Amino acid sequence: QITLKESGPTLVKPTQTLTLTCTFSGFSLSTSGVGVGWIRQPPGKALEWLALIYWDDDKRYSPSLKSRLTISKDTSKNQVVLTMTNMDPVDTATYYCAHSGGRNYYYYMDVWGKGTTVTVSS
Amino acid sequence: SYVLTQPPSVSVAPGKTARITCGGNNIGGKSVHWYQQKPGQAPVLVIYYDGDRPSGIPERFSGSKSGNTATLTISRVEAGDEADYYCQVWDSIGDHPVFGGGTKLTVL
Repeated sequence: QITLKESGPTLVKPTQTLTLTCTFSGFSLSTSGVGVGWIRQPPGKALEWLALIYWDDDKRYSPSLKSRLTISKDTSKNQVVLTMTNMDPVDTATYYCAHSGGRNYYYYMDVWGKGTTVTVSS
Repeated sequence: SYVLTQPPSVSVAPGKTARITCGGNNIGGKSVHWYQQKPGQAPVLVIYYDGDRPSGIPERFSGSKSGNTATLTISRVEAGDEADYYCQVWDSIGDHPVFGGGTKLTVL
């Protein structure tokens, strides 16, 4: 059974850097074809895809946020870490991580974590 | 960047059929996936590869494509189907996934 759980601060100040960790079980990020992505959802708004990392360390970023995002993996710890710099109140959202088993054309998110809520406020 | 267009809302009576559309340029050449999100919960995959259902998803949920539009069809709608629904594809030019703006399904 695949599970994912997001963790990180619930409150960050403007201009600070946010670090979120996705800890997963039931699969390995060293297995060919596997990926983990991050998605966020501001209160009352739509889903927004942020970044993803594949088993071979290939990475993709949202073009609008690319300059602020870094995604990395620790295969031994079964974790994926997302950092977002220069946080702003508009970044207030629930952040999800999700497992994927396909690439590019075949990419979809089949198992999601429950999400973690991040508020940006001074 | 590739844009997916969904109607903000769809309403349907219990027992009837709901159709939620997702429009995009040349969407016929892309693989479309659909997610259901109930209030306060994480999204759940309900359709992948245009029309395949993950295990545990009722047969009432189906997907199709025609022209520049993909459609999620929910037959014999139940009160428990009330949720937000999102379509998703891979933007082959931008080389990243894209979500539609979401559709709120209301069961009357």
